[in-house]
Amino acid sequence: SQTIHQWPATLVQPVGSPLSLECTVEGTSNPNLYWYRQAAGRGLQLLFYSVGIGQISSEVPQNLSASRPQDRQFILSSKKLLLSDSGFYLCAWRETGGSPLHFGNGTRLTVT
Amino acid sequence: AQSVTQLDSQVPVFEEAPVELRCNYSSSVSVYLFWYVQYPNQGLQLLLKYLSGSTLVKGINGFEAEFNKSQTSFHLRKPSVHISDTAEYFCATNSGGYQKVTFGTGTKLQVIP
Repeated sequence: SQTIHQWPATLVQPVGSPLSLECTVEGTSNPNLYWYRQAAGRGLQLLFYSVGIGQISSEVPQNLSASRPQDRQFILSSKKLLLSDSGFYLCAWRETGGSPLHFGNGTRLTVT
Repeated sequence: AQSVTQLDSQVPVFEEAPVELRCNYSSSVSVYLFWYVQYPNQGLQLLLKYLSGSTLVKGINGFEAEFNKSQTSFHLRKPSVHISDTAEYFCATNSGGYQKVTFGTGTKLQVIP
């Protein structure tokens, strides 16, 4: 069966520090991969998605970036964090077409 | 672009009472619709999905939803809620073709003992 791993679960980082969140999927190949951010009291904002290795689509211009170095690995990065980057970050995968998303357990990021 | 609207940000309901959480989608062809549930500090879990076929969709935990094309709605219902149903519920749809999934702003269901 397919599983998705996302880490770390919680992270506290100072303003201006770098960020690297990692997500891996097991049990499937060539999944579509997604990064969402959930701010307090708000819905889910799509940040990036990828339909293949090295293919990244950005939805919101900001100081975050994403990379997909391997088929089932999706990384969210930042060179310098801002206070506004605080939130709950969720990685998800899906098969192609209209299949539903499957989510990781999320990373709670607090920028201080 | 396809989108969904959840008008109710919070819905309080007494235990064992019925509940309906509302979701409306923007009109489009080939719409796929989903309901997810999120418990505190966790990821989202799929409750049910509508891709095609029967307009009444049954999901996990006793939930069901009805696809209504004329009213562009996909409301989530449960005939009798439990304390354990207290969570946030998100309606979602495909957008940008089939590559992206867009979520509503969520409805917090609070079940009162």
